[in-house]
Amino acid sequence: GAVVSQHPSRVICKSGTSVKIECRSLDFQATTMFWYRQFPKQSLMLMATSNEGSKATYEQGVEKDKFLINHASLTLSTLTVTSAHPEDSSFYICSAEGAGPGGEKLFFGSGTQLSVL
Amino acid sequence: QKEVEQDPGPLSVPEGAIVSLNCTYSNSAFQYFMWYRQYSRKGPELLMYTYSSGNKEDGRFTAQVDKSSKYISLFIRDSQPSDSATYLCAMSEKAAGNKLTFGGGTRVLVKP
Repeated sequence: GAVVSQHPSRVICKSGTSVKIECRSLDFQATTMFWYRQFPKQSLMLMATSNEGSKATYEQGVEKDKFLINHASLTLSTLTVTSAHPEDSSFYICSAEGAGPGGEKLFFGSGTQLSVL
Repeated sequence: QKEVEQDPGPLSVPEGAIVSLNCTYSNSAFQYFMWYRQYSRKGPELLMYTYSSGNKEDGRFTAQVDKSSKYISLFIRDSQPSDSATYLCAMSEKAAGNKLTFGGGTRVLVKP
């Protein structure tokens, strides 16, 4: 099946620094990628939709200047958390649209645990 | 009211039992329904993908969709301790280019 690679899997940073998370579709081209955020014991909340070659679409309440998304190619999208603060500590997950054998469309990365000190 | 409701559990069952999970939703435009399994601090893994109403079986997993009742279910037969995880239902209006709306997840514990 389609594979989505996300890294780093875990990052610890100081408050005020920026962190970049990469999401790659390894064996398919992904016109659309999605970025989610998940707090402990809660479900995934969509942050933004990333379209190759165009600006990302952010969900209501998500600061686009804080969470910078770049989708420069059909296999790579990046999320940069700028000037991170402790409240940004969370589990970030990307997903990419592909074509599975059963018609399924969305495949998820393994997630990135961000801890801001 | 949330768009997709899912009992958070935890749901504890003995090994070999049938695990029964379900979600209800309010948006009648949802047409694509998915079940994901998520282990702690890992990305969701797709288990079942269905379109519109009906049943779908894959190995030990059976997914049911009843659009008239806005209710979907997942059954896991012959449950194993390795099935212990959080199960998330998700749904969307379109097949592509569309965001998923997730349920809150049900934590399942299969005891040996």
